[in-house]
Amino acid sequence: EVQLVESGGDSVQPGGSLRLSCAASGFTFSSYSMNWVRQAPGKGLEWVAYIGGSSSTIYYADSVKGRFTISRDNVKNSLYLQMNSLRDEDTAVYYCARGRGYGENDCWGQGTLVTVSS
Amino acid sequence: EIVLTQSPGTLSLSPGERATLSCRASQSVSSDYLAWYQQKPGQAPRLLIYGASSRATGIPDRFSGSGSGTDFTLTISRLEPEDFVVYYCQQYGSSRTFGQGTKVEI
Repeated sequence: EVQLVESGGDSVQPGGSLRLSCAASGFTFSSYSMNWVRQAPGKGLEWVAYIGGSSSTIYYADSVKGRFTISRDNVKNSLYLQMNSLRDEDTAVYYCARGRGYGENDCWGQGTLVTVSS
Repeated sequence: EIVLTQSPGTLSLSPGERATLSCRASQSVSSDYLAWYQQKPGQAPRLLIYGASSRATGIPDRFSGSGSGTDFTLTISRLEPEDFVVYYCQQYGSSRTFGQGTKVEI
């Protein structure tokens, strides 16, 4: 069974840092691109970052560029999101999502909550 | 950045009726790399449609997608009670962006 499990969400002060993890199982992790998508409370989905299977291609949303870093470890079957200089508006549930084929997201984790507040 | 605008914001219908949801892109979506997702309260999104018109595995045939270029449509032919939730479109032809969502309510 394909499974994605996020962890690392927490409450942090503005300007702080946090590292999210996503553990993948049930598929050949290195063969798929991966994404982070977030959802602020009561709001819609916002794509955050993309990483190709070999980590050679990486994209970021303008709202997080220069502050967030996506990475992966294909030996550990894990995806990461290093978040620095956190702002109030980064408060959201963060989902990891598998990219299939040309990029549609066919499998999602259950999400992990990040709260940025003083 | 390609901006996706979904309309209407809220669609009020009854079970058994047909739902038509629109997603308009600010510029052409290359190769029709357009997907639709369904999100139920408290759950992660679920892929319904990819490549503008292909149904994902296990998705009932009452869900269909159409369109190309800048105008795309998700149609639910006969609404079931579990279909009254929120739907998002996403383009993945140029980086990635989501529309703001359409809520289908009773």
